[in-house]
Amino acid sequence: ETGVTQSPTHLIKTRGQQVTLRCSSQSGHNTVSWYQQALGQGPQFIFQYYREEENGRGNFPPRFSGLQFPNYSSELNVNALELDDSALYLCASSLGRGGYNEQFFGPGTRLTVL
Amino acid sequence: RKEVEQDPGPFNVPEGATVAFNCTYSNSASQSFFWYRQDCRKEPKLLMSVYSSGNEDGRFTAQLNRASQYISLLIRDSKLSDSATYLCVVNPQGSARQLTFGSGTQLTVLP
Repeated sequence: ETGVTQSPTHLIKTRGQQVTLRCSSQSGHNTVSWYQQALGQGPQFIFQYYREEENGRGNFPPRFSGLQFPNYSSELNVNALELDDSALYLCASSLGRGGYNEQFFGPGTRLTVL
Repeated sequence: RKEVEQDPGPFNVPEGATVAFNCTYSNSASQSFFWYRQDCRKEPKLLMSVYSSGNEDGRFTAQLNRASQYISLLIRDSKLSDSATYLCVVNPQGSARQLTFGSGTQLTVLP
């Protein structure tokens, strides 16, 4: 496997609640990217963290926020959950910004908003 | 217009068949290109990078046409284990590692 882990595996929340998803990157990787994958769609880029700083953001509202810690693990926080936030949330780790190195994906967290 | 567009599929082919997937991208400044494979309810995994000169990995051949902004993936001698969703992926900004994914094309190889 990739060595990228995510928790929890599954989560059920209700509209308006807040959620925190966690990702541990592969050993030696300093960059974490988060993606949202709705059913039947490809993953959509949310944001990327490089050495604890946000390094690029996709077309997601500010209620999607994140953190990266000194050990390069990362959190994705979503406030004021909406029904459309129901999706598979994937994190991917890589070594450094730019370049052509592979991004390694974790197994994802499946979020259901009721 | 979507940034990355793929054949909608699904493709259902017999074992041993050759199948081709196509993909177009809208950002002419895109720097790097990939095909990822995603099995049902699993995470995407890199299948192969795509280079301008074309590249081959066993039964898989990828081609890139920058002038037409077109990417292809050819699978020869399909195996049952090739059944998956194939995602065309573009890195639109060379300095950042964000990836833009197509919606994917579902392939089912039938015995």
